[in-house]
Amino acid sequence: GDSVTQMEGPVTLSEEAFLTINCTYTATGYPSLFWYVQYPGEGLQLLLKATKADDKGSNKGFEATYRKETTSFHLEKGSVQVSDSAVYFCALSEGYKLSFGAGTTVTVRA
Amino acid sequence: SQTIHQWPATLVQPVGSPLSLECTVEGTSNPNLYWYRQAAGRGLQLLFYSVGIGQISSEVPQNLSASRPQDRQFILSSKKLLLSDSGFYLCAWSVLGGFYEQYFGPGTRLTVT
Repeated sequence: GDSVTQMEGPVTLSEEAFLTINCTYTATGYPSLFWYVQYPGEGLQLLLKATKADDKGSNKGFEATYRKETTSFHLEKGSVQVSDSAVYFCALSEGYKLSFGAGTTVTVRA
Repeated sequence: SQTIHQWPATLVQPVGSPLSLECTVEGTSNPNLYWYRQAAGRGLQLLFYSVGIGQISSEVPQNLSASRPQDRQFILSSKKLLLSDSGFYLCAWSVLGGFYEQYFGPGTRLTVT
């Protein structure tokens, strides 16, 4: 079946550093791709999405581009803040369901 | 706007006791509904999903069951809890016929002692 692989964490950064979280996928069709963020003790929030090849999703300074040729959807942010500390999940749609990556824990230090 | 509620927020239950977690969605009709479990430090495991009233699909055979008695209500149950049922339970919904992005509730932290 379809699946998502994302880089393992944890990732620790200093404030204002550049963040990249790699995500690659395997799919037989043309799924939609998503990034979710989970703050401690909370549910997941949809961060951004892309529904077709070459789409760029963006939100709150985060960006990710749907790359069909490399089957990737890497998450980037140019200057992270302490408030970006969270767990980030890459996901793809599979019919009614989403397949999630294992999650990457990001800690930003002041 | 749409909102999703889950309760209780936290629950501590002894082994062998029953369980009932409730999820309700407001502001949308005919949503797809989902139950996930997240064990400590791990990713999400899809437990059940529903595309309509009374329609439940189980992803993983286990000690839990789900029901959808109303369009926007989804209930997760167990007759006898196991220690391994401890975890963070998340309910989610998606729009029927959309791109299937899911929107999550705040979660229920269940500890089985």
